[in-house]
Amino acid sequence: NAGVTQTPKFRVLKTGQSMTLLCAQDMNHEYMYWYRQDPGMGLRLIHYSVGEGTTAKGEVPDGYNVSRLKKQNFLLGLESAAPSQTSVYFCASTRRGVNYGYTFGSGTRLTVV
Amino acid sequence: KQEVTQIPAALSVPEGENLVLNCSFTDSAIYNLQWFRQDPGKGLTSLLLIQSSQREQTSGRLNASLDKSSGRSTLYIAASQPGDSATYLCAVRDMDSNYQLIWGAGTKLIIKP
Repeated sequence: NAGVTQTPKFRVLKTGQSMTLLCAQDMNHEYMYWYRQDPGMGLRLIHYSVGEGTTAKGEVPDGYNVSRLKKQNFLLGLESAAPSQTSVYFCASTRRGVNYGYTFGSGTRLTVV
Repeated sequence: KQEVTQIPAALSVPEGENLVLNCSFTDSAIYNLQWFRQDPGKGLTSLLLIQSSQREQTSGRLNASLDKSSGRSTLYIAASQPGDSATYLCAVRDMDSNYQLIWGAGTKLIIKP
């Protein structure tokens, strides 16, 4: 049972480059989330999705785009990477409804130089 | 606006001790509260999910309690072991931010052999 899988696990980008982070879940969860975690800042929500084809902004959406073309996948894109986007990115998912817990992926460590 | 506080920020205890981690929240209108553990450089592992209607949940040596009226949750760890060393995070799913979790900053726990 894979749960939530994030790829890649590590990446180094140059300023201005673009990349896509992939999150895949095999639990048939409707809701998916992208967080970033920075020292002293805790977890901050970037974007989220409550279903296939729908996305919404979280707390810190600037500089990121997302897509949810398939229920099991949630993509996070950086169009023009900046050093401020150096962070650890986590994906999470949960079932529809309010009574369920979240399952997290193992994270992607991104460094922008 | 919901705020979640975890005290202490760090805790160091000898192996074998029973210990309590605290999580407080300002608005009692919550659906549930979830405790996570995060090892250095790793993702978040869900420990316990406690619904607003529940008073406590247990898993092995872990016991989480919830007192919604006072805005408090505690995570009790019995007979601590060096392998329990990690950062423990609590997160609340409140009724105003239905799709999102509100996070505490975490308690960094060190168990000394």
